[in-house]
Amino acid sequence: ETGVTQSPTHLIKTRGQQVTLRCSSQSGHNTVSWYQQALGQGPQFIFQYYREEENGRGNFPPRFSGLQFPNYSSELNVNALELDDSALYLCASSYGDGHTDTQYFGPGTRLTVL
Amino acid sequence: GQNIDQPTEMTATEGAIVQINCTYQTSGFNGLFWYQQHAGEAPTFLSYNVLDGLEEKGRFSSFLSRSKGYSYLLLKELQMKDSASYLCAVMDSNYQLIWGAGTKLIIKP
Repeated sequence: ETGVTQSPTHLIKTRGQQVTLRCSSQSGHNTVSWYQQALGQGPQFIFQYYREEENGRGNFPPRFSGLQFPNYSSELNVNALELDDSALYLCASSYGDGHTDTQYFGPGTRLTVL
Repeated sequence: GQNIDQPTEMTATEGAIVQINCTYQTSGFNGLFWYQQHAGEAPTFLSYNVLDGLEEKGRFSSFLSRSKGYSYLLLKELQMKDSASYLCAVMDSNYQLIWGAGTKLIIKP
């Protein structure tokens, strides 16, 4: 069974640029959730995709957008990067519609915005 | 607003027992999760409680009291590899996970 994978591992961007982060869900999982985790903090929910549809969204501006593909892999896009976007971005997959299903996390992408 | 509180840091001795507390105030409740996160790594699932009471899984146990908005994670026979952050997360009425900031557990020999 393949676990959740994310790419890239690390990324450095400058303010105003755009970034795309990728996530492959665990085999058999159809739901992907994205989180932002600042240093020393817990993850903050960005949004969730279930069967290619957005299934919930946290308190993040529209410049954070996402996509889920037919194979249930997912992308997180962030436009007009700001310094505060520097964080660890975590992707988690689960089976079902995400409701109370246990989420399994990928290793994360460390984004630094200069 | 929604709030999850847990201690910032705790220290314990190898072989001992430690209890990490979590209190929460959320809009609705659809279960409480505990995750372990080693520095620089992803969170890994430890336990899930939705009903009151104690769930035991090997050296780790988790307790929930919904009426008190309270949970704890109990770690027995501590090992050096248990040094990590422990995150409490509550699933709210919108089925979104609300996370605490985590408790950094330091194990000393």
